[in-house]
Amino acid sequence: GQNIDQPTEMTATEGAIVQINCTYQTSGFNGLFWYQQHAGEAPTFLSYNVLDGLEEKGRFSSFLSRSKGYSYLLLKELQMKDSASYLCAVIKAAGNKLTFGGGTRVLVKP
Amino acid sequence: GAGVSQTPSNKVTEKGKYVELRCDPISGHTALYWYRQSLGQGPEFLIYFQGTGAADDSGLPNDRFFAVRPEGSVSTLKIQRTERGDSAVYLCASSLAGNSYEQYFGPGTRLTVT
Repeated sequence: GQNIDQPTEMTATEGAIVQINCTYQTSGFNGLFWYQQHAGEAPTFLSYNVLDGLEEKGRFSSFLSRSKGYSYLLLKELQMKDSASYLCAVIKAAGNKLTFGGGTRVLVKP
Repeated sequence: GAGVSQTPSNKVTEKGKYVELRCDPISGHTALYWYRQSLGQGPEFLIYFQGTGAADDSGLPNDRFFAVRPEGSVSTLKIQRTERGDSAVYLCASSLAGNSYEQYFGPGTRLTVT
């Protein structure tokens, strides 16, 4: 079966750092995606991790530990426009579909 | 360039009616995916096309749902005898190829069954 867990909601202050955790238990694993989704809009790609370790891309970084079934998305220097849902998704070794977690709604306050 | 487009953006229909949702993928993308997203949830996979053929339709909830991609480009998701539980945002995504390539999502069609 598939189980992908992430917190439902997080609140942070503008300029701060927020870490969104994602744990997964899936039958097969080929990589993990993070997507950002503003209300009423399409998900947009943020990162893709295949190997263990941290990948940094500007204010956003993503970490993966395959042995622990764990990833996190780190958002630094938060801006108001970062208020959105953040979706963790796993792609399996033998397939092509994305299996998503429920999403984490991040609210950035002034 | 143009992204993934979906029409209509909103569709309201009565219970029991038939609906068609259309997806235009990014030009040159061979893989096309349909997902369904309920309010406050992550997207759920429905069906995946590689070219004209459905490579994986394991996410279709029942035989009221059907999708086609006759020329390997535009796809249509068809729902027969709609039920109120079908109300959701239907998202389409495309990628250069299957298997681990970034999927680009369209804006979705919000379906409301009354």
